[in-house]
Amino acid sequence: LAKTTQPISMDSYEGQEVNITCSHNNIATNDYITWYQQFPSQGPRFIIQGYKTKVTNEVASLFIPADRKSSTLSLPRVSLSDTAVYYCLVGALDSGSARQLTFGSGTQLTVLP
Amino acid sequence: GAGVSQSPRYKVTKRGQDVTLRCDPISSHATLYWYQQALGQGPEFLTYFNYEAQPDKSGLPSDRFSAERPEGSISTLTIQRTEQRDSAMYRCASSLIRSSYNEQFFGPGTRLTVL
Repeated sequence: LAKTTQPISMDSYEGQEVNITCSHNNIATNDYITWYQQFPSQGPRFIIQGYKTKVTNEVASLFIPADRKSSTLSLPRVSLSDTAVYYCLVGALDSGSARQLTFGSGTQLTVLP
Repeated sequence: GAGVSQSPRYKVTKRGQDVTLRCDPISSHATLYWYQQALGQGPEFLTYFNYEAQPDKSGLPSDRFSAERPEGSISTLTIQRTEQRDSAMYRCASSLIRSSYNEQFFGPGTRLTVL
């Protein structure tokens, strides 16, 4: 089971770049790394996903080193509306495998004006 | 449907009663997931379905928990003889196909309170 570890909380100011790192030391070969955002009273919402190296979309970048034992979510120029909990999810749904999808404990990001 | 829906949104029950939670996934989605989320914690995987098949139920915390998806669309999660420790948010998600490289769409959740 791929256990994940994230910082409990982070503070930032509007307009800054925020980097949140997730550790997943026993990630398996077939596991992907996915980041979700969750606002209070809502379900998690997909941000970005990757397997290795770097992935970028319109809202974030995901950096994964060669050993894949960690990953870093990068949010450019955050705004107040980015205040949320960010979860790192590691896992796979392969046939014949009982490996579960594991969310981290989440990082509470607070963006200050 | 346009999104994942769950019902009821809130459920209060007494210890020892059975409860059934319902999830209606996005209509084109083959894969459906159930999670349990305690307050202040991340979602914990319970089980998932690929159409009507349930390849992995190892995350279900005890044999009091069971899930079904008999026709490959709507799913139910049943908790028998509820206990206070079962109080949590139960979230359902769906994705287009069974793959780790796939975006999950989450429903609003069912808040279960066991008195």
